[in-house]
Amino acid sequence: GQQVMQIPQYQHVQEGEDFTTYCNSSTTLSNIQWYKQRPGGHPVFLIQLVKSGEVKKQKRLTFQFGEAKKNSSLHITATQTTDVGTYFCAENAGNMLTFGGGTRLMVKP
Amino acid sequence: DVKVTQSSRYLVKRTGEKVFLECVQDMDHENMFWYRQDPGLGLRLIYFSYDVKMKEKGDIPEGYSVSREKKERFSLILESASTNQTSMYLCASTTGSSYEQYFGPGTRLTVT
Repeated sequence: GQQVMQIPQYQHVQEGEDFTTYCNSSTTLSNIQWYKQRPGGHPVFLIQLVKSGEVKKQKRLTFQFGEAKKNSSLHITATQTTDVGTYFCAENAGNMLTFGGGTRLMVKP
Repeated sequence: DVKVTQSSRYLVKRTGEKVFLECVQDMDHENMFWYRQDPGLGLRLIYFSYDVKMKEKGDIPEGYSVSREKKERFSLILESASTNQTSMYLCASTTGSSYEQYFGPGTRLTVT
C-alpha cells in the first residue's frame, strides 16, 4: 500500500528552539492529516491539509502541504515543554489513514 | 465530547490464548478502526468497519479477526496469541462525513 515516510525519527531541542518534522511520499497524496500523541497518551487530531501548497497555522504550529502534494511539514516555533510528544502525519484516503512512523520530540527546559 | 473507551489499559496473555479487545464509542460513529502501534513503525491498520456486521482488512490483518455486532462496539480478536503480537492496540472511530479520527486510550498487550 501507500507508504508515508517521516523524518526525523527523534529530535531533541532546547526549549525556545524551533522544530520541524517532514513527511514524504513517492506518490501524490489525497490529503494529509497531523496528529500529536503525548507520552502515555493516544493520538489527537491536529489538522488536515487538502490543497496543493496549502499552509495553515495554529498558534506556534505551521503546517504545510507541498505543491506536488507529495510532502508535508509541521514546524513549531519556539518550542515549549508542553510540545513534548510524538507527531504523526497520515494520509487520509477514503477514511482510511496510512501513518508515517512519527517524530518523537523531546524538549530540554 | 467524543468518547472512545477500550476494555483494558494493560493485558498479559500467554502464547496460544484467545484474546478479545473491546472498543466502545458513544458518538454514533459509523466507522471504527483497529490499529497496532510499534516504535518506529507508526500506527498500522489491522481492520476497519463501515457499518454493523461489515468489516474490511487493513494493512496487517493476519492473525486477527474482528466483530461488529452493534454500531457502538468493535472487537478485535486474536485467535491464538503469539509473541509477535505484543504491541499497543488503538481503537478509533469517525463519522462518515467527517475525517478526524478519535482514538481510545489504547491497550498494551504483552504475550509471553
